[in-house]
Amino acid sequence: KAGVTQTPRYLIKTRGQQVTLSCSPISGHRSVSWYQQTPGQGLQFLFEYFSETQRNKGNFPGRFSGRQFSNSRSEMNVSTLELGDSALYLCASSLARTGGTQAEAFFGQGTRLTVV
Amino acid sequence: AQSVAQPEDQVNVAEGNPLTVKCTYSVSGNPYLFWYVQYPNRGLQFLLKYITGDNLVKGSYGFEAEFNKSQTSFHLKKPSALVSDSALYFCAIGNYGQNFVFGPGTRLSVLP
Repeated sequence: KAGVTQTPRYLIKTRGQQVTLSCSPISGHRSVSWYQQTPGQGLQFLFEYFSETQRNKGNFPGRFSGRQFSNSRSEMNVSTLELGDSALYLCASSLARTGGTQAEAFFGQGTRLTVV
Repeated sequence: AQSVAQPEDQVNVAEGNPLTVKCTYSVSGNPYLFWYVQYPNRGLQFLLKYITGDNLVKGSYGFEAEFNKSQTSFHLKKPSALVSDSALYFCAIGNYGQNFVFGPGTRLSVLP
């Protein structure tokens, strides 16, 4: 069974540009979440999608947005890039919460974004 | 608000010795607790989770964790450390299937 696939693995962008990152979840997983990882702030939750609907959003500015398609693939977009957006962006997929339990999430290898 | 603390930035242990990586949490209601591991330039890998039931949870690669409700702790343990266990470990609270709140991480170094 294929894991979570994130593309591209590495990106270098200039301040002010925009970027789109892609995530293909594990087959059958309908929940996709995005996290930003930096040395200073650690792992911070960006947003979570389930069946094309954003269910939850972290504390990030509106420059960060996302969407999910009918095949559960997800994209996140960052507009007007700032130096501080340099980070590892991780996507995770999981089964929806059922029966009062919480399923574990499976993470992709991430996209390393460098803003110069 | 939910929060996770990992009081040690770094843990060093000799190969073959037992290891413990500490985690404490704050959450209203019953916690869903997780441990993940991250190797260099990789995403996070799931190790184990506590949802309900037995307080001692066994996971991947010989790891286990003990849930202690009175101390609000969920420490990760392994009886005999391997050099290959050296990595960054994250404790997390699950938020009803929507997202995780992660601790700051603990870097484990297993010395040969």
